[in-house]
Amino acid sequence: QVQLQESGPGLVRPSETLSLTCSVSNDSISDTGYYWGWIRQPPGKRLEWIGSIYYSGSTYYNPSLKSRVTISVDTSKNQFSLSLKSVTAADTAFYYCARRAITRTKPNWFDPWGQGILVTVSS
Amino acid sequence: EIVLTQSPATLSLSPGERATLFCRASETVNSFLGWYQQKPGQAPRLLIFDTSHRATGIPARFSGSGSGTDFTLTISSLEPEDFAVYYCQQRNNWPWTFGQGTKVEIK
Repeated sequence: QVQLQESGPGLVRPSETLSLTCSVSNDSISDTGYYWGWIRQPPGKRLEWIGSIYYSGSTYYNPSLKSRVTISVDTSKNQFSLSLKSVTAADTAFYYCARRAITRTKPNWFDPWGQGILVTVSS
Repeated sequence: EIVLTQSPATLSLSPGERATLFCRASETVNSFLGWYQQKPGQAPRLLIFDTSHRATGIPARFSGSGSGTDFTLTISSLEPEDFAVYYCQQRNNWPWTFGQGTKVEIK
């Protein structure tokens, strides 16, 4: 079955850019039936959807983060990436990548998710 | 954005007991409400989608109900592996939002 795995630095300095990659295995990121997304969870707080991307590069973002977020896709590597600029301590969180179906025959919900990666913003 | 409020924050129950978790939306989400289970150190797992449909591989003891703004997740008889945190999520309006979670702990 499909598996997603986040990777990237666990520590980012304030004001710098957080960059994470999600590697997808056992499925093609170019499958037309899915969007690929990022969700985060600050310690002790609720989950927050960051944004999603289609294999074509079409994106949509949470308005609360839109000015700082870029999600991109690399179909040759079967990966998609998150870039969050000008980070502060408030961006410290577990970051998850997830797949979401867009066809009528499958649940249009985040399923499955990667294991998550903790990113700490600190000097 | 739509705010989802879950209750109770913590539910202390024994294995074999029935668990009832609530999720209330600040405005209607129609039937576009889902539930996830998260165990310590693990990613969330989709349990219920579109209010009442079980995801693939989810046991029949999990059920969902509700409509509009008020939704319920019921676990008919708790198994040891069900003690976890449960989140609701809506996808009726962008941005999609999550509840703050209900922790089901062993009494």
